[in-house]
Amino acid sequence: SQTIHQWPATLVQPVGSPLSLECTVEGTSNPNLYWYRQAAGRGLQLLFYSVGIGQISSEVPQNLSASRPQDRQFILSSKKLLLSDSGFYLCAWMTTGISLFGPGTRLTVT
Amino acid sequence: AQKVTQAQTEISVVEKEDVTLDCVYETRDTTYYLFWYKQPPSGELVFLIRRNSFDEQNEISGRYSWNFQKSTSSFNFTITASQVVDSAVYFCALSEADNAGNMLTFGGGTRLMVKP
Repeated sequence: SQTIHQWPATLVQPVGSPLSLECTVEGTSNPNLYWYRQAAGRGLQLLFYSVGIGQISSEVPQNLSASRPQDRQFILSSKKLLLSDSGFYLCAWMTTGISLFGPGTRLTVT
Repeated sequence: AQKVTQAQTEISVVEKEDVTLDCVYETRDTTYYLFWYKQPPSGELVFLIRRNSFDEQNEISGRYSWNFQKSTSSFNFTITASQVVDSAVYFCALSEADNAGNMLTFGGGTRLMVKP
């Protein structure tokens, strides 16, 4: 069965600091991977998705970036965090009709 | 383009009441999948159900039931005899089979509060 790991689980970072969130998936190869963000009290917004190593599609222009260095690894980064980057970040694996979400990372930018 | 609308942002009921959460979707594809997720205060997304566009049969799972109607592009979710533990945010989502990335588009969510 497939499993998604995310770390860290929680993170408190000052404005202007860098960010790196990691997601790894087990139990599948060449997965389609996604980063979603949920601001406090809001819905889920798709940030990036990747259909393969080195392939990144951005849905929303912002100061975040994503990378896919390995088949089952998906990284979300920022060089300088903004207050508006605070939220709950979810990594997901999806294939036709199937979706699996990781446990999420709660980021607070202070 | 795909779109999911959950018009009810917040619903408050008293325990044991029945409650229906509405979901309306838009898609140009003939093959697609609809999902419902529960998000408790802890934050994780709990998968509840998936329906494909060719299966309009309604489904019941314990106190949960789903009514899928393609004619009105709706996929509503009913909780019978609600309990305090049902309090959460519920998301409806759509995935188009022809979508290159199989991504999910979420509705804005409905916050359900069940009071004792």
